[in-house]
Amino acid sequence: QVQLVQSGAEVKKPGASVEVSCKASGYTFTGYYMHWVRQAPGQGLEWMGWINPNNGGTNYAQKFQGRVTMTRDTSISTAYMELSRLRSDDTAVYYCARDLPGWSGFYYYWGQGTLVTVSS
Amino acid sequence: QSALTQPASVSGSPGQSITISCTGTSSDVGSYNLVSWYQQHPDKAPKLMIYEVNKRPSGVSNRFSGSKSGNTASLTISGLQAEDEADYYCCSYAGSSTLVFGGGTKLTVL
Repeated sequence: QVQLVQSGAEVKKPGASVEVSCKASGYTFTGYYMHWVRQAPGQGLEWMGWINPNNGGTNYAQKFQGRVTMTRDTSISTAYMELSRLRSDDTAVYYCARDLPGWSGFYYYWGQGTLVTVSS
Repeated sequence: QSALTQPASVSGSPGQSITISCTGTSSDVGSYNLVSWYQQHPDKAPKLMIYEVNKRPSGVSNRFSGSKSGNTASLTISGLQAEDEADYYCCSYAGSSTLVFGGGTKLTVL
């Protein structure tokens, strides 16, 4: 069965960077786009961008351009999301979510979420 | 990309029907039939309920249905059940392989 298992919670200071991983299993990793979505405490969902694990191509939401980097390691079927120059309002649960076949923007499979807390 | 507009909350009694609206613009909801809806229970990951405006993934109850008119998409839940109480989010394609979510709607089953 398809599983997306994310790395554990992180606590970072303002200005630092954080990297969240998402290990995929149960399907061909390179066959499906991986998206990242975040949710601040008590707030709604916010789309951050996607990576094509097949060729490493990426597309980021304008809001995160210059601060986010999405990568992948196909040898271990893992996607990564790095967010730099962290601010307190980056405190959120970060989810990876697998697309349907092709690029559709619909997510049937989600990771369990990773809480990133930014605090001095 | 501005978030799509959803009502903050809706409520209904068991057995009733409710509709949640999701208003975007001609650059997102109005231009593409690529609207989806997610259900999220507290401290859980979202669950896909509707995609491509009105399609249901396997396993989703037919009590959930979607529609779209102009720049506004809607999610209707019929025969409300206690387990439907959750937050609901719409999401739309916004061009250039980007997506935008709505602000979310809290559904209370009275």
